[in-house]
Amino acid sequence: AQRVTQPEKLLSVFKGAPVELKCNYSYSGSPELFWYVQYSRQRLQLLLRHISRESIKGFTADLNKGETSFHLKKPFAQEEDSAMYYCALRVLYSGAGSYQLTFGKGTKLSVIP
Amino acid sequence: ETGVTQSPTHLIKTRGQQVTLRCSSQSGHNTVSWYQQALGQGPQFIFQYYREEENGRGNFPPRFSGLQFPNYSSELNVNALELDDSALYLCASSHLAEETQYFGPGTRLLVL
Repeated sequence: AQRVTQPEKLLSVFKGAPVELKCNYSYSGSPELFWYVQYSRQRLQLLLRHISRESIKGFTADLNKGETSFHLKKPFAQEEDSAMYYCALRVLYSGAGSYQLTFGKGTKLSVIP
Repeated sequence: ETGVTQSPTHLIKTRGQQVTLRCSSQSGHNTVSWYQQALGQGPQFIFQYYREEENGRGNFPPRFSGLQFPNYSSELNVNALELDDSALYLCASSHLAEETQYFGPGTRLLVL
């Protein structure tokens, strides 16, 4: 069965410092990985997906199949980055085109002014 | 474009009761997924509905059931509530096979 592990429950960094949120996965197939974010009093929303290799709000994430990791990085943290971050693995559930997301437990990022 | 809405926002039930949670999909979406998020945990996939039929299911017992209506809105029903069912229940809509799921604000259920 697939699994997503986020080893840090809480990560505190100073404003302007680099950020790295760790995510490791376990899956026998070809992985599709995502980062979702939940800001205070807001709903869960997609931050970025590995397949697009894009940078959103200064965040990037590279899929490393050898290390089965998909760490989220940002060179300079901002106060508005404080939020709950979830790594998620998208798995094809059946031939009917049903996909399910398997989430990690999340990491709370706190950026100290 | 109207986002995903859920009702009620929170409710309290007692063990053994039944509960129905509701979700209205984002305009134009035909697929609804439900997730359970226990305190301190990530969301856990319950099931997905497409064209009014269950199209995928996670590791949840049959007392968790659902419906999807022709307008793509959805219900999650939980029978014989247990204390461990206390959680935030999230609904997410999308097009089938589309990568991005759009989440609602959730319904917080407390079982006493």
